[in-house]
Order: sequence, then C-alpha cells, then structure tokens
Amino acid sequence: GESVGLHLPTLSVQEGDNSIINCAYSNSASDYFIWYKQESGKGPQFIIDIRSNMDKRQGQRVTVLLNKTVKHLSLQIAATQPGDSAVYFCAVGNTGNQFYFGTGTSLTVIP
Amino acid sequence: GAGVSQSPSNKVTEKGKDVELRCDPISGHTALYWYRQSLGQGLEFLIYFQGNSAPDKSGLPSDRFSAERTGGSVSTLTIQRTQQEDSAVYLCASSFVTYNEQFFGPGTRLTVL
Repeated sequence: GESVGLHLPTLSVQEGDNSIINCAYSNSASDYFIWYKQESGKGPQFIIDIRSNMDKRQGQRVTVLLNKTVKHLSLQIAATQPGDSAVYFCAVGNTGNQFYFGTGTSLTVIP
Repeated sequence: GAGVSQSPSNKVTEKGKDVELRCDPISGHTALYWYRQSLGQGLEFLIYFQGNSAPDKSGLPSDRFSAERTGGSVSTLTIQRTQQEDSAVYLCASSFVTYNEQFFGPGTRLTVL
C-alpha cells in the first residue's frame, strides 16, 4: 500500500511570488509521481510527472523535485498567477496499477 | 480531440435506489480508472480496467459497487441500494497505457438523500 500526505492543506501566496507545495509518501518502492491541479467543479488536470530514476524535472513555470531518501516530493510554481489558484494533488504509484492520492493543498493567489 | 466524458454530471437519488454512472474514455486509451472524491478529500481508488484483462477491483468499498467496461471502451459504475455515505464526486480517468498520465473526466456528483 501507500500513504500520501501533504504538508499544508492551504497555501496563500502573492501574485508573482513562487509557490512550493510539498508531499510525503511512505512506500520506498514507489516509483512514479504525478502532480495534478484541480479547479472547482472540474476533474484533476495533469501538470507534471517524474519517475524514480530522476530527482528533478522542469516544465513551463513548474518544477518537481523528488527526494527518495526522505520520501518527499515538491511542486514549485514560478511567478504564481491568479489562474494558478486551485487544489493541487500529488499521486504516487508503486504497483503499476494503482495511484495513491494525497488530500490536496488549496493554493490561493492574492492579486 | 475529445477528452474523457462522464454522465450524468449530477445525480440526486433516494437512499436505497440503484444508480449507474457512465464514463466515455479517450479513444484508444487502454486503461480506465474509477475514483471517488469526498468533500475536501483526496481521490480514493475504486477500480481499474486494462485492456481485456480482469479488472482490479481492490478499491471497491462494498459489494454494492460494481463496474463493467464494454468493448474496451465505455465503462459503467453501478451502485446498488445507495447509502448516504455514497454521496461524493465519482471521477473517471483513462490513460493510453497502464501506469501513465491519466486524463480525468469532469466527474459525476452523486447526492444520496
């Protein structure tokens, strides 16, 4: 199995600042990690993923960092914009079939 | 192209009634997942289909829940004798291959009175 938790249920940042959302997992065999963004009334939307053979991956304004030693991953959003306001979930996979989701961090961007 | 679609978008039912929720995955996606999301909670895995293989039903909370996937495409999640604790948003996701990025539908909000 797997236990996934996020460090903060809510996060408020000023527009233009960088945001960091953290996630911890329990199973050292976990090997695939995905960050999703969920806006109100919508299904989760893929942001970025990383596999366990990497420790960093960058996308457009987003970076995911993976620390397998302490079983922790983070999502960094550069120059946060009002449109980034949403709930962010990490999903952790370790069996090839199932993904385990955290409870989500609600990000609010203050204009 | 079309994304994952789900119907109905909202369903209100009375306790004890049966409900059917439908998911149309992205064409060509072989893997299909059902999740349940309660208010303020993360996603709870329910069931997973991969091609013609037997589904992984390990997440189904009780025998009142069942799902099928016909022709490797459309899937239906059935909840029999609904209870108030079944109230949640039911999300469907599909992926091109197993263990890969999942594309989610908008969900069906189920309310059991």
